[in-house]
Amino acid sequence: DIQMTQSPSTLSASVGDRVTITCRASQSISNWLAWYQQKPGKAPNLLIYEASILESGVPSRFSGSGSGTEFTLTISSLQPDDLATYYCQQYDTSSPTFGQGTKVEI
Amino acid sequence: QVQLVESGGGLVKPGGSLRLSCAASGFTFSDYYMSWIRQAPGKGLEFVSYISGLVSTIYYADSVKGRFTISRDNTRNSLYLQMDSLRPEDTAVYYCAKITSKSGYVLDYWGQGTLVTVSS
Repeated sequence: DIQMTQSPSTLSASVGDRVTITCRASQSISNWLAWYQQKPGKAPNLLIYEASILESGVPSRFSGSGSGTEFTLTISSLQPDDLATYYCQQYDTSSPTFGQGTKVEI
Repeated sequence: QVQLVESGGGLVKPGGSLRLSCAASGFTFSDYYMSWIRQAPGKGLEFVSYISGLVSTIYYADSVKGRFTISRDNTRNSLYLQMDSLRPEDTAVYYCAKITSKSGYVLDYWGQGTLVTVSS
């Protein structure tokens, strides 16, 4: 299976900060990468797919980039509502896998 | 609007069995792949299993292969996960999730989850 590694594991930032989370794949996955946000006690919510396509209804302060093995999720101006854990997921193969998550603290 | 409602979780002894159900509404159920994702307490997400709309394609994670069985009833708009030979490490919240038609195995709608606890 393809291994996904996120960094950092935890991130502390202030409201208004620009925040970047990195996700690395153990082999090339082209752009077959999604990002999810999981707020405490809730199910995950899809943010981005195909590395950079924003899901309908997701605020434009979220953006994704990358291809091959290195990807980033950027929050352009952190808001209090963005307190959550963020997961990347590869779907290049028929055995999809998640990263271990990045917890964003405000 | 899409709704996914899981049920069937609970406390079970090691070696026991449990059947999870997911009732779907708000979309044409038979047109979509569906999946089960789990999350152990305080841990990350794990793709457990998925099934195609017409049941021609089924996937299991290695951690559950041979013990769990995914199925669906398109006449009842329902997804199931039969879990046998349960182990303590299967303790988790189990989410039912719809796989989008837009791009691969991307999960665009999730249920609220049901907790399975395996303990003596």
